[in-house]
Order: sequence, then structure tokens, then C-alpha cells
Amino acid sequence: SQQGEEDPQALSIQEGENATMNCSYKTSINNLQWYRQNSGRGLVHLILIRSNEREKHSGRLRVTLDTSKKSSSLLITASRAADTASYFCATDAMDSNYQLIWGAGTKLIIKP
Amino acid sequence: EAQVTQNPRYLITVTGKKLTVTCSQNMNHEYMSWYRQDPGLGLRQIYYSMNVEVTDKGDVPEGYKVSRKEKRNFPLILESPSPNQTSLYFCASSPMGTYNEQFFGPGTRLTVL
Repeated sequence: SQQGEEDPQALSIQEGENATMNCSYKTSINNLQWYRQNSGRGLVHLILIRSNEREKHSGRLRVTLDTSKKSSSLLITASRAADTASYFCATDAMDSNYQLIWGAGTKLIIKP
Repeated sequence: EAQVTQNPRYLITVTGKKLTVTCSQNMNHEYMSWYRQDPGLGLRQIYYSMNVEVTDKGDVPEGYKVSRKEKRNFPLILESPSPNQTSLYFCASSPMGTYNEQFFGPGTRLTVL
């Protein structure tokens, strides 16, 4: 079952601009996690935000969580060519029985 | 170096020929899982394991088997592969289920002819 849905499906911006991706989910969660995947490679964890948190930062990354709207956003500031990748959100739903539910991802392209 | 390893990285096989994809982690993690990734579908969980000798089905377990005899290893077995199992497979581990970040292996690209 698909819980997280990323929006947009694809995003193309100029290097130096900010990139924002959104994730919506359906049920109550314990936490929400964002991952990056470079083409065909393994996923790399970016940020985990718990249900009682509203915002987290890590370097150029900022994640917000709005549990009332069941949505999260990932902001990458001052984008670089190396940020070109697919970004996935994964939710740890309260009734998930130790399973993360993944969205289909946002493909981000940074143009030099 | 803390890591999750998978072997083989690439495999082309024929329908019905049993195969095993190995997964090993050196971080003493309790939780391990297998995913498959297909275009436009994101990651779908095949099986997961909370600890040694404890395994559970994910969303798409049909056609797959797993075992967890040791904490560090979690092999994925395809007894009789079929073309619809052609996919990119990832193994992942974490200290404590889905409460923590997941550490992913590099992936195994499987083609079943």
C-alpha cells in the first residue's frame, strides 16, 4: 500500500536556486524520513522527523512536518549539480507493524 | 567501515533457476529488510526481520523466501524466478525497526529471461 506521495514527480531548476518537494500521507505516523537516491544506486538517509517535531535542519536541507495536514516538505537551498537525484519520503505509520511506506519519489534535476 | 553489502550486484538468469542474493551488515543491527524497486512504483517491501529467526512478510512476498539464522545476514531466495521478478533489489538494516534511519545496500539488478 502506498502511503507517501511526493509532489512534484519531477523538478528541474537552475543551479543555485532552491528546490522544494512535498510529501503527503494518509494515516497517523510515528516519524517521516527523507532519502536521496542517485541513479540506480542505494538510498541514502537525509533526515528523520518525528511526529512531535515541526521542523528540522541539516546543512542545506530543511524539513517541515504538518501532522494536521498530513504533509511534509523538503527544501534544498542553494542547489548544486550534485543534488541531482531522486528524493523519496517514507512514513512509519502508527499501525504499520514495523514497515515503512514509500512514495514514488521526486526526480530533481539541477541544471548548471 | 559501517556498511550493508549485497551480492551479486548484477545477475542475469533464466526462468526457474533458483538463485540467492546475499545481504550482510556489520553494524549489529536488529532489523533487516528487502525491497524491490520498479519504475514509477517506488520501493515495495518484500520481507523484513526484527531479529534472528524472526521474519515477516512485507507487501510483495510472493515468489520470495528469506531466512535470518545470524544477525548479520539476511539472504533473499528466489526458488523459481519468473520474468516479473526482474527488478532492482535493495537490502536495508537499522538498529531498531522503522524507528531509526535505514542503511541501504548498493542494490542488485536482477534480470530474469
